[in-house]
Amino acid sequence: EAGVVQSPRYKIIEKKQPVVFWCNPISGHNTLYWYLQNLGQGPELLIRYENEEAVDDSQLPKDRFSAERLKGVDSTLKIQPAELGDSAVYLCASSLSAGSSGANVLTFGAGSRLTVL
Amino acid sequence: KQEVTQIPAALSVPEGENLVLNCSFTDSAIYNLQWFRQDPGKGLTSLLLIQSSQREQTSGRLNASLDKSSGRSTLYIAASQPGDSATYLCAVEGSNYKLTFGKGTLLTVNP
Repeated sequence: EAGVVQSPRYKIIEKKQPVVFWCNPISGHNTLYWYLQNLGQGPELLIRYENEEAVDDSQLPKDRFSAERLKGVDSTLKIQPAELGDSAVYLCASSLSAGSSGANVLTFGAGSRLTVL
Repeated sequence: KQEVTQIPAALSVPEGENLVLNCSFTDSAIYNLQWFRQDPGKGLTSLLLIQSSQREQTSGRLNASLDKSSGRSTLYIAASQPGDSATYLCAVEGSNYKLTFGKGTLLTVNP
């Protein structure tokens, strides 16, 4: 079974350009997460989806970041315009369902590494 | 706001040694605590999940304990191997189903 698939794995762009990351979660997983990981830091939640609904986007910088999860399956994360400080790894994860009796095991993708020049 | 601290930040041990990684958190109102492994350039792999009502979980050479009242967890790795070299991350899931991560411990096991 394929795990969580993310693309592109690496992206280099000039500042002020847009960039889109794509995530395909594990089949049957209702909950999808986007995390941001800076070098030497732990991941930080950007947004969580339950099916197609964004139930926690409090950490998403909405002036330049947007996300979608169409039909409750695949998801995209878009940054427009990108800034130098956006250089980081963007991780997608999925789980069966948050709140599943305290045993919510997340499966992470390999991440998309963004470099903004 | 939940804060998770991991000590030490880095650890280097000879092959075969037993070792302990530490994790502490400030808010004891958690659903679970999870330990992850991250290899360079890769995503996170879940190792162990301890629910708030549990005290420990074991998987192979790994044993994780949880003392919720004191806000502490340890990850014990027995008979370490070079293949165990990675960054180990601790994360707690709070009442809003949000995982808060520590910065990780970079483990190097030398042959």
